[in-house]
Amino acid sequence: DIVMTQSPLSLPVTPGEPASISCRSSQSLLHGNGKTYLHWYLQKPGQSPQLLIYLGSDRASGVPDRFSGSGSGTDFTLKISRVEADDVGVYYCMQALQTPYTFGQGTELEVK
Amino acid sequence: QVQLQESGPGLVKPSETLSLSCSVSGGSFSSYYWTWFRQPPGKGLEWIGYTYYSGTTDYNPSLKSRVTISVDTSKNQFSLKLSSVTAADTAVYFCATLENKNGYAPDYWGQGTLVTVSS
Repeated sequence: DIVMTQSPLSLPVTPGEPASISCRSSQSLLHGNGKTYLHWYLQKPGQSPQLLIYLGSDRASGVPDRFSGSGSGTDFTLKISRVEADDVGVYYCMQALQTPYTFGQGTELEVK
Repeated sequence: QVQLQESGPGLVKPSETLSLSCSVSGGSFSSYYWTWFRQPPGKGLEWIGYTYYSGTTDYNPSLKSRVTISVDTSKNQFSLKLSSVTAADTAVYFCATLENKNGYAPDYWGQGTLVTVSS
């Protein structure tokens, strides 16, 4: 199985400040078709996960441009340019290169 | 816009079979893979498996011997069966869709349903 490791696990941020979450995979997520099968989710309290970023850097429909994804191979980053109160929750990275699909442990973002 | 809704018993006895359904509206069964995830209380997400309308399936090896996922297009739903459950199977179960075009990133999700395994 591909192991996904996130850091930090807890992230307190002041509103208006930027935030960054790291995700590392135990093997490259680059597919032979040139696409990188790494996705980012936000799970707000009591809700199902919502897709933020797919294929490493493509924003999902309706996701504010404050959110951006970058990285390649085994190292990836989710950045929020200016954190808002509504961004609280647990952020997960997920790999879909091969089954079983696997997730990182989650990063809990807290707005101070 | 695809909408998904899980349904099924919220309480299952140990050693019995957990059975859940996911009702689908707004989507074509041939356009997506249909998948299940679960999340134990206070913990992270685990992929259970997926099916396609053709009958193709793939399961997490950690659950493969106990899991069956199937589609019933006549009822606009797909289902999950997990046999021989134990307390470790207590979790919120989510159904979701997968699409090749977005790298199999689950994009539409149900709200989730809590299943507790207890006698």
